[in-house]
Amino acid sequence: DVKVTQSSRYLVKRTGEKVFLECVQDMDHENMFWYRQDPGLGLRLIYFSYDVKMKEKGDIPEGYSVSREKKERFSLILESASTNQTSMYLCASSSPSGNNEQFFGPGTRLTVL
Amino acid sequence: LAKTTQPISMDSYEGQEVNITCSHNNIATNDYITWYQQFPSQGPRFIIQGYKTKVTNEVASLFIPADRKSSTLSLPRVSLSDTAVYYCLVGDSAAGNKLTFGGGTRVLVKP
Repeated sequence: DVKVTQSSRYLVKRTGEKVFLECVQDMDHENMFWYRQDPGLGLRLIYFSYDVKMKEKGDIPEGYSVSREKKERFSLILESASTNQTSMYLCASSSPSGNNEQFFGPGTRLTVL
Repeated sequence: LAKTTQPISMDSYEGQEVNITCSHNNIATNDYITWYQQFPSQGPRFIIQGYKTKVTNEVASLFIPADRKSSTLSLPRVSLSDTAVYYCLVGDSAAGNKLTFGGGTRVLVKP
């Protein structure tokens, strides 16, 4: 089974802090994604990556950056956390072959005070 | 990417069949229709995908009419554990697999 893990289930940070959210997948997937989920807004795509060192902006990239130095790891970075970045963050991975099913991690609930 | 519209919520009872219809009027020729399920405090998980007519697996059935402008996810004989949010997505799986999730349909199964 595909396993996508995220570094923390819950995280509390202060405004202005630099925040790293880590995601690791163990199925050698080329594609990786970061979403945020807020009540009433569904999942919104922040950034995605098709390959190592490659990244593409999603629908809401402002205030975020990403890093993909290794195929299995995709990091989301909040350079200076703000209260409006309090949210549930979900990482996913997929292979471009087959039906492109995305496999999601358990999520990280980030609270910025 | 084609926009989808689905009901915000639905209530049902154990043992009933639940049908969720999704509208996607601007679906493109290469687009597939995919449904995900999300339980509270978990990430979404893939349920079913189809292109046309009917697809069935061990979890659900997906009905797609000839014009493909809508689709219906059918959950047979639901149980309390089927209470979840269900997302309908439309996209071209060959276009880099960028998915757009809408608000989903919150299904509540009552005893």
